[in-house]
Amino acid sequence: EVQLLESGGGLVQPGGSLRLSCAASGFTLRNYAMNWVRQAPGKGLEWVSVLSGGGDTTSYADSVKGRFSLSSDNSKNTLFLQMNSLRADDTAIYYCARGRIVGAAFWLDPWGQGTLVTVSS
Amino acid sequence: SVLTQPPSVSAAPGQRVTISCSGSSSNIGNNYVSWYQQLPGTAPKLLMYENNKRPSGIPDRFSGSKSGTSAALGITGLQTGDEADYYCGTWDSSLSVTVFGGGTQLTVL
Repeated sequence: EVQLLESGGGLVQPGGSLRLSCAASGFTLRNYAMNWVRQAPGKGLEWVSVLSGGGDTTSYADSVKGRFSLSSDNSKNTLFLQMNSLRADDTAIYYCARGRIVGAAFWLDPWGQGTLVTVSS
Repeated sequence: SVLTQPPSVSAAPGQRVTISCSGSSSNIGNNYVSWYQQLPGTAPKLLMYENNKRPSGIPDRFSGSKSGTSAALGITGLQTGDEADYYCGTWDSSLSVTVFGGGTQLTVL
């Protein structure tokens, strides 16, 4: 069964750092474009970042560019999101999602259960 | 949000509802649309991809369509279990990012 399991969320002070993990099972992570999407409390979905299949390209939303960075450990089939200089508006549930790309079509499936990041003093 | 959805829609059980998603030539106009269902307290789940294709396990009460720079999700035979937030999503070729609509809350009265 294809599954994603996030971990690493928690409470952090403004300006602090946190590293999220997304463990994949049932498929090989490096063969897909892996994404992070976040959802602030009571708000909609916001795409955060993507690591291309093969792991050679990353892309970030303007709101996190320069502060967040993606990496992966292929031996552990795990994706990481390093979050630095955290701000209150980074407070959200962070979801890991596998991207599928077919020509001009792109969709996210499956999604993990999410991990909550709270930035507060 | 880059894509525009109505904040909420409602209908009675057994009825049909349509949720719209409006964008531009840089996103919906030149790329396929996907839809996601988020039941209360759970993670989003893929409901529709490539405008109108249903993943395995999604009933045919759900349908998708696209015309120009707009897309729509249709749900027939509404059930109370369909109460959820629904999001459209696509790739934006100008921004080079994935974009979502603001979400539509469906209430089955």
